Amino acid sequence: AQSVTQLDSQVPVFEEAPVELRCNYSSSVSVYLFWYVQYPNQGLQLLLKYLSGSTLVKGINGFEAEFNKSQTSFHLRKPSVHISDTAEYFCAVSDLRDDKIIFGKGTRLHILP
Amino acid sequence: KAGVTQTPRYLIKTRGQQVTLSCSPISGHRSVSWYQQTPGQGLQFLFEYFSETQRNKGNFPGRFSGRQFSNSRSEMNVSTLELGDSALYLCASRGEVEQFFGPGTRLTVL
Repeated sequence: AQSVTQLDSQVPVFEEAPVELRCNYSSSVSVYLFWYVQYPNQGLQLLLKYLSGSTLVKGINGFEAEFNKSQTSFHLRKPSVHISDTAEYFCAVSDLRDDKIIFGKGTRLHILP
Repeated sequence: KAGVTQTPRYLIKTRGQQVTLSCSPISGHRSVSWYQQTPGQGLQFLFEYFSETQRNKGNFPGRFSGRQFSNSRSEMNVSTLELGDSALYLCASRGEVEQFFGPGTRLTVL
């Protein structure tokens, strides 16, 4: 069965510093990959998605992610974070075989002033 | 297009009661999924409905049930509420690939 691992439950980072949130998945077939963001007291909002093509995917709010098939990873990056990026970030994978979407446990991004 | 809407946004119940939550998906979306989100367990999948049929189900007790109507609106019901059912319940409708989430219903069980 497929699974998604977000290695860090919390990531503190100083404002204007770069950040990387890690995501690894297990699947032996083709997948679609997603990153969602959840601001306090809100639902999840799609940041970006990888379906096919270029392995570097750009999303909203200056975020980008790189699909690495050999390492089964889809890490999320931002070159310079802002206080407004404080949120929880979820990685998700959709297995094209059974069409299920599996979410990771989330990573809380804390922006330090 | 209007987004996914959920009602009510907040709900307070007592142990033993039952509750019904409602979700209206984005127009044209036929798949609706429900999730329970708690600080300790994270985002847990409850079930997915597609064209009025339950397509997938998570590992929750039978107290949790759902249904979908012909207009794709969905309801989930929790009977005999327990303190541990306090959570944010999220509904998501699915387009071609990704899911779109509603704002959630915050359920507090006293």
